[in-house]
Amino acid sequence: EVQLVESGGGLVQPGGSLRLSCAASGFTFSSYEMNWVRQAPGKGLEWVSYLSPGGTTYYADSVKGRFTISRDNAKNSLYLQMSSLRVEDTAVYYCARTVADIPFEYWGQGTLVTVSS
Amino acid sequence: DIQMTQSPSTLSASIGDRVTITCRASQSINSGLAWYQQKPGKAPKVLIYKASSLESGVPSSFSGSGSGTEFTLTISSLQPDDFATYYCQQYKTYPWTFGQGTKVEIK
Repeated sequence: EVQLVESGGGLVQPGGSLRLSCAASGFTFSSYEMNWVRQAPGKGLEWVSYLSPGGTTYYADSVKGRFTISRDNAKNSLYLQMSSLRVEDTAVYYCARTVADIPFEYWGQGTLVTVSS
Repeated sequence: DIQMTQSPSTLSASIGDRVTITCRASQSINSGLAWYQQKPGKAPKVLIYKASSLESGVPSSFSGSGSGTEFTLTISSLQPDDFATYYCQQYKTYPWTFGQGTKVEIK
């Protein structure tokens, strides 16, 4: 069974940093494209970042230069290093797997990041 | 960036109703469109991909159509479990973008 479990969320001050993790199980993690998607409280969905098995990355303009996506295939884990955090980065962050023509086939349960002073 | 516009934003319907949600792209995305269902406090779930392909395990009451810039999600007979928020999403070009969502409420 495919499982994605996010962790690392919490309260952080504006300008601060945080690293999110996504533990994957039930599939060959190293072979799959992975993403981060976020949802601000009461708002819609926003794609944040993409990482291919070969290391190709893409970022939303809103996070480019501040967030870094990475993976550790030995630990079956996806990461999102977030720095220079802003109040508008407050959201539930989901990791999601891509397969073939399905951009977000499986999702984790999400982890809440709150940026506030 | 490709803008995705859904209509309506909110839809009130009754059990058994046929429901249609429209999604328009600001430029052609061919068939690079997916639909998701999200219930409060839960992660989204994919319903449709490649504009009209039904994800495994999704009831056949859901269907998708369209290509280019105009797409629709249809629920042929609304069931209690279908009251949720629905999002379209284009994956033709990065940055991938979502519509603003359509909340389907009980009438």
